[in-house]
Amino acid sequence: EPEVTQTPSHQVTQMGQEVILRCVPISNHLYFYWYRQILGQKVEFLVSFYNNEISEKSEIFDDQFSVERPDGSNFTLKIRSTKLEDSAMYFCASSGQGALSEQYFGPGTRLTVT
Amino acid sequence: AQSVTQPDIHITVSEGASLELRCNYSYGATPYLFWYVQSPGQGLQLLLKYFSGDTLVQGIKGFEAEFKRSQSSFNLRKPSVHWSDAAEYFCAVRSGGSYIPTFGRGTSLIVHP
Repeated sequence: EPEVTQTPSHQVTQMGQEVILRCVPISNHLYFYWYRQILGQKVEFLVSFYNNEISEKSEIFDDQFSVERPDGSNFTLKIRSTKLEDSAMYFCASSGQGALSEQYFGPGTRLTVT
Repeated sequence: AQSVTQPDIHITVSEGASLELRCNYSYGATPYLFWYVQSPGQGLQLLLKYFSGDTLVQGIKGFEAEFKRSQSSFNLRKPSVHWSDAAEYFCAVRSGGSYIPTFGRGTSLIVHP
């Protein structure tokens, strides 16, 4: 069964450093998403991406964040200058097209900012 | 704005016992409703979803959920829990015009042998 993969599973970084979280969505999917879950809190939407551009983003997704699909298979989330409050689990998801299309989630990357 | 409440942070049941996880939502129109499960080290897996039609929906792994509009609820049930069901369960709601679900905080299910 096809699945969404994410690397690394755990990333530790120092405050102020740049991090790139990587995702490989399911190959024939058209929509891509990033979510985050701060420990003990809800899963929160960050951004959706379609046709090589951001289609929707939340207020969390500020100028420190960017997304890219560099090579037709990977989908990345970059945090330019990490803050302590960026520590969270980051989930990538992908879906086909249509309002009834299910989102498939990856296993997540746990980001720890020290 | 839509919102989801899962009032139970932790639920503990014995293996073989029945299970009900509660979910209440706030949304003006008919919502799209989902239950996801997250096992340790795994991503969110869709258990079941409600879009329209029969208010009792069947999902994978023997789970079912019932949409009750009058109570704004979408509770998840299973008649007999297995130890492998121990996981985090998330309820989510989505409007028809958006691809983006709003998640609840999650309920952690602990299964005693």
